[in-house]
Amino acid sequence: AQSVTQPDIHITVSEGASLELRCNYSYGATPYLFWYVQSPGQGLQLLLKYFSGDTLVQGIKGFEAEFKRSQSSFNLRKPSVHWSDAAEYFCAVGGYDKIIFGKGTRLHILP
Amino acid sequence: GAVVSQHPSWVICKSGTSVKIECRSLDFQATTMFWYRQFPKQSLMLMATSNEGSKATYEQGVEKDKFLINHASLTLSTLTVTSAHPEDSSFYICSASGSGITYEQYFGPGTRLTVT
Repeated sequence: AQSVTQPDIHITVSEGASLELRCNYSYGATPYLFWYVQSPGQGLQLLLKYFSGDTLVQGIKGFEAEFKRSQSSFNLRKPSVHWSDAAEYFCAVGGYDKIIFGKGTRLHILP
Repeated sequence: GAVVSQHPSWVICKSGTSVKIECRSLDFQATTMFWYRQFPKQSLMLMATSNEGSKATYEQGVEKDKFLINHASLTLSTLTVTSAHPEDSSFYICSASGSGITYEQYFGPGTRLTVT
């Protein structure tokens, strides 16, 4: 069965600290992988995506993610977070026909 | 490019009435559009998938007669919540994908529906 697991419901980091949000997936074929960010009351913004090729993917706002097939993981990282990064982050797997979302990780930033 | 809009951004309606939400692809042809529902502090739940000119495919547990989806053109899909009840209050998000663009969905900003 296709699924996405984000094991951390909430994460709190201090401004300027590094960040890693975890994502594991189960997918029968080669997955298309995505990270989205959602601010309260807003739609989803695509941070980055992986379709093929280089397993380290650069995205917007200084985010990157690494696809590790052996671990079925696609963790999101940022070397130094800003207060404006506080939001809900969703990992997703799928493609043009269907996307399956994880339950999300709420990121809190301490000043 | 690949911008999706939704209208209205928020709507309040009375119980028993119907409300229509529009989803438009502004700069590309959306062969497939998707409707999601999101409860507070939860993830997105796919409600249905629609292809232009075809009937929508609903996910299990989604009432077809309650959530009417029309995808009459390559740039417009509508979701009509019929005989709305307070439990239909939610955040509804549409997305679109199309041929000639990468295999991904582009999301609209969402519509907040409150049924009183």
